Amino acid sequence: GAGVSQSPSNKVTEKGKDVELRCDPISGHTALYWYRQSLGQGLEFLIYFQGNSAPDKSGLPSDRFSAERTGGSVSTLTIQRTQQEDSAVYLCASSLAASGQETQYFGPGTRLLVL
Amino acid sequence: SQKIEQNSEALNIQEGKTATLTCNYTNYSPAYLQWYRQDPGRGPVFLLLIRENEKEKRKERLKVTFDTTLKQSLFHITASQPADSATYLCALDLAGNNRKLIWGLGTSLAVNP
Repeated sequence: GAGVSQSPSNKVTEKGKDVELRCDPISGHTALYWYRQSLGQGLEFLIYFQGNSAPDKSGLPSDRFSAERTGGSVSTLTIQRTQQEDSAVYLCASSLAASGQETQYFGPGTRLLVL
Repeated sequence: SQKIEQNSEALNIQEGKTATLTCNYTNYSPAYLQWYRQDPGRGPVFLLLIRENEKEKRKERLKVTFDTTLKQSLFHITASQPADSATYLCALDLAGNNRKLIWGLGTSLAVNP
C-alpha cells in the first residue's frame, strides 16, 4: 500500500513546550525506527521497535524523549520541555524486520523548530 | 572507536562521466552494507545492499563494491545524469547487533549538464 507517512510535516514550538510526532509505517512491517537529522548532519539513531519485543531506546539523547508504538503499527515520538537544540528533522522508517539486511523505508520527516 | 567515513566534500562531475563515492569504516565487521539516496527535504531511499561475501553488486547504472580487507565500499554511477544529483548515504549493520544500521554522513553529488 502507501509508504511511510509522518505528521505533522512541520512543527514550530516554543522552548519548554511538549511536542508529539506521529509515524504511520508500511502495513505489515514489524520494525519501526526513529532518527534525527540536524542540518548538514547524518542520521542519528534514536529508537527502534521490533514486533512485541522491548524497544531499543539506546539512542534517545535524554529522558525528555520517549516513544511508543501502539498495536504494532502507529508510533508517536514525544519530546517534553523542548529545547532549541532539539530543532532538527525527525525521520521515521519501517522495515519488514529489524535486521541489517532489510531495506528501510523512510517517511518524509517532520521538521521541528524550537524557538 | 567505531567510525564510518564518507567523502566530506561535495563531488562535482560532468554529465556522462562516472561518479565514484567512497565509504570507509573502522573497527566494524559488518555483514551487510547499504547505499541510500537522499534528496533535499526528503527521507533516504534505498538503492543497493551488498553482503560481506559479495565483492560487487550491480543495478542498472549503479555498481557497489565491498572490500572487507580494506574496510571500504565504493559506489559508482556510470553515465551520470543531472537527475543523479543528491546526497548518497552508506549504512552498515552493527556487528554483534545487526538489528539496526549505523549511517555515514553522506556525500553530496552534483552532476553538471
